[in-house]
Amino acid sequence: DTEVTQTPKHLVMGMTNKKSLKCEQHMGHRAMYWYKQKAKKPPELMFVYSYEKLSINESVPSRFSPECPNSSLLNLHLHALQPEDSALYLCASSQDRASPSPEQYFGPGTRLTVT
Amino acid sequence: GQNIDQPTEMTATEGAIVQINCTYQTSGFNGLFWYQQHAGEAPTFLSYNVLDGLEEKGRFSSFLSRSKGYSYLLLKELQMKDSASYLCAVHTYNQGGKLIFGQGTELSVKP
Repeated sequence: DTEVTQTPKHLVMGMTNKKSLKCEQHMGHRAMYWYKQKAKKPPELMFVYSYEKLSINESVPSRFSPECPNSSLLNLHLHALQPEDSALYLCASSQDRASPSPEQYFGPGTRLTVT
Repeated sequence: GQNIDQPTEMTATEGAIVQINCTYQTSGFNGLFWYQQHAGEAPTFLSYNVLDGLEEKGRFSSFLSRSKGYSYLLLKELQMKDSASYLCAVHTYNQGGKLIFGQGTELSVKP
């Protein structure tokens, strides 16, 4: 199983809403990532979890709050977002951040629209 | 600083060969990835080069020169479905193993 799953596929939320994005993998990977991608731009790294601990926060605003409940799950909690936060949110996983096979497997993404 | 350059757009004809170049200046270079991304979909892994040289995988090949900070992705026998964005990404060892992406090259394959 080389699949990373994400739910929901699409999400529309108002600026006062609270919502969560979910990501799951069953490959035994110990590193998980959140990326944000705007149209015609490359993915921008937001957070990295390694062995369920937050290891990288790329100066992301506090309205985005990541959580890693266990080694297979990664959540991104959203609160008081702005319209400019509308984007494709991608989750990825890899064996380990520094393994010889650092390939990151990406999920299909959640298309987020903030109104 | 970190700098990765690749052409913004390329056009090629079905059945032809196209080479997408990527140059980089990064600290902590470990290896270089190529990903393919169709519009609205997730990036999918194509190749990972650590050592200098050419690695061939079916219709796709990837080349790396560490001394020149240069890589290319070669696509042969182009098909319409190869129309996509191709992302070059440097894997670092001194920044928590993160990937640093280039801006992507939008390839259009025409009949």
